[in-house]
Amino acid sequence: GAGVSQTPSNKVTEKGKYVELRCDPISGHTALYWYRQSLGQGPEFLIYFQGTGAADDSGLPNDRFFAVRPEGSVSTLKIQRTERGDSAVYLCASSPGQGMGGYTFGSGTRLTVV
Amino acid sequence: AQSVAQPEDQVNVAEGNPLTVKCTYSVSGNPYLFWYVQYPNRGLQFLLKYITGDNLVKGSYGFEAEFNKSQTSFHLKKPSALVSDSALYFCAVSPLLNSGGYQKVTFGTGTKLQVIP
Repeated sequence: GAGVSQTPSNKVTEKGKYVELRCDPISGHTALYWYRQSLGQGPEFLIYFQGTGAADDSGLPNDRFFAVRPEGSVSTLKIQRTERGDSAVYLCASSPGQGMGGYTFGSGTRLTVV
Repeated sequence: AQSVAQPEDQVNVAEGNPLTVKCTYSVSGNPYLFWYVQYPNRGLQFLLKYITGDNLVKGSYGFEAEFNKSQTSFHLKKPSALVSDSALYFCAVSPLLNSGGYQKVTFGTGTKLQVIP
């Protein structure tokens, strides 16, 4: 596609529920990143994929968070047993390869846990 | 661990005046440095990057940034500010890999730039 697409743009869920956030990167981009941005903060790294594999998942806050990229294109960030503290904008970015140019970010998914 | 400091939460500048948004960083080895801009209700947009070479890097929308290794700084500059430059600006850093690339990028907390007509 022309840009990085993230769906949904907004998600409101109840505490304790499971959510999935989707990222469709730019076609051909092998590197994909997930970040989380809380109000008044900079983006915080969550996980980085090179192809299908998670090259670095050191930013995932706990085992309730998981991400997959089974075919090396679309990625899904999964959050189990959501908590109010998970409320944030979840950003996805892609780049042509490891360390090439700058990221292209999607517009993000605003997750609100009530 | 790598980190970025943006000491100013907000910078106000009059339209037509030069602007500077400050950034200092900490990283093991050589840095790969970035500036991104975020407009209200829009995603982050890449402005420019520094890898090696000339310490003055030119980017989008007339912005440039100056790398200073001894001061570990990478300040964003523009000679003449526009009202449309008003946005949130993020500095970011990653260790420069031997391959010439980067992996995990760490962002600063952002500086709000307000250009006053």
